Amino acid sequence: AQKITQTQPGMFVQEKEAVTLDCTYDTSDPSYGLFWYKQPSSGEMIFLIYQGSYDQQNATEGRYSLNFQKARKSANLVISASQLGDSAMYFCAMSFNDYKLSFGAGTTVTVRA
Amino acid sequence: EAGVAQSPRYKIIEKRQSVAFWCNPISGHATLYWYQQILGQGPKLLIQFQNNGVVDDSQLPKDRFSAERLKGVDSTLKIQPAKLEDSAVYLCASSLLTNTEAFFGQGTRLTVV
Repeated sequence: AQKITQTQPGMFVQEKEAVTLDCTYDTSDPSYGLFWYKQPSSGEMIFLIYQGSYDQQNATEGRYSLNFQKARKSANLVISASQLGDSAMYFCAMSFNDYKLSFGAGTTVTVRA
Repeated sequence: EAGVAQSPRYKIIEKRQSVAFWCNPISGHATLYWYQQILGQGPKLLIQFQNNGVVDDSQLPKDRFSAERLKGVDSTLKIQPAKLEDSAVYLCASSLLTNTEAFFGQGTRLTVV
């Protein structure tokens, strides 16, 4: 069975610093997609970044980058130059070979001025 | 481009009553998801449609929950009868294809008293 694990329930980061959010997964499927979403206190779910299991290079989108280590089955999100508006819940999600989009438990990030 | 539309935004009902939620996905999106998100947790996939067919409903409590997607466009999720533990935000999402990013609606916050 596939499983997504986010072990950090909450993190604090100083404004303008970088923060890394951990995500590990367990699957035997060779084909899968990795996603990160942001959920501010207002509740909407915002797509941030995507990485396919066959992609050779790590995905980047502006201040977001995905540190994909396939052999270790990890897909950590790095947010560079944190801003106060980055304070939110962050979810790692995966679409496995059977196409279900499943989410981890999430990590709360609080950016301090 | 219009986003995923959900209604109502909020609903309060008594236990044992029934309730229905509506979702209109982004035009042209074949995949539609319903998630249940309990406060402080990650979204839990209830059901996934591909066009008007069900891809996965393994976590849908079928004795009380039902969902349909007639004509492969909009969808309704029904709970009958509701229990206190059904209090949650119900999120609808759609994606162009499976294994591509999903776009979420604002959600329906259900409170069962």
